[in-house]
Amino acid sequence: AQSVTQPDIHITVSEGASLELRCNYSYGATPYLFWYVQSPGQGLQLLLKYFSGDTLVQGIKGFEAEFKRSQSSFNLRKPSVHWSDAAEYFCAPDRGSTLGRLYFGRGTQLTVWP
Amino acid sequence: SAVISQKPSRDICQRGTSLTIQCQVDSQVTMMFWYRQQPGQSLTLIATANQGSEATYESGFVIDKFPISRPNLTFSTLTVSNMSPEDSSIYLCSVHTGSYEQYFGPGTRLTVT
Repeated sequence: AQSVTQPDIHITVSEGASLELRCNYSYGATPYLFWYVQSPGQGLQLLLKYFSGDTLVQGIKGFEAEFKRSQSSFNLRKPSVHWSDAAEYFCAPDRGSTLGRLYFGRGTQLTVWP
Repeated sequence: SAVISQKPSRDICQRGTSLTIQCQVDSQVTMMFWYRQQPGQSLTLIATANQGSEATYESGFVIDKFPISRPNLTFSTLTVSNMSPEDSSIYLCSVHTGSYEQYFGPGTRLTVT
């Protein structure tokens, strides 16, 4: 069965520290992969996507993610976290067959200490 | 990109009643999607709405409970029928663009009392 795992429910980092949020998926083929951020009271904002090609993708707000087929992972990274990055982050592979049918991970809540 | 608006932004409804949520997109799209985010949970896909055909529902969701309309390429509605407190959620409309990006509306926060 298809699945997506975000193993970390909650991560706390200090401002200026580096960040890596993990995402693992289980699909038969390489899915399209997305990362979203949801701030309190805000809607979902698309951070970045992987469709094909270069496995290291750049997104908005200084985020990047690397697709590793051998590990079925699509981890999100940022070299230096800002206090405004505190939010919930969702990894979402596309289920395939029809583009747009996303399967969301349970999310990782990021807290940033000043 | 796509700009999506939803109405209402929030509502409080009594159990047993129905609520229709509207979704408007600023450009024509083939597929529109409806998601649900229950309190403290992640998002779950309810159904895919294709213009000119019946919506396709995911496992666990049925048309009688969540009827969907898609009258044109920029608009869709989701009705939550015969509501119970378990239907209290944020309902989000979403579209997939030709640039392989997926955008979400601001959501409709529904509370059922």
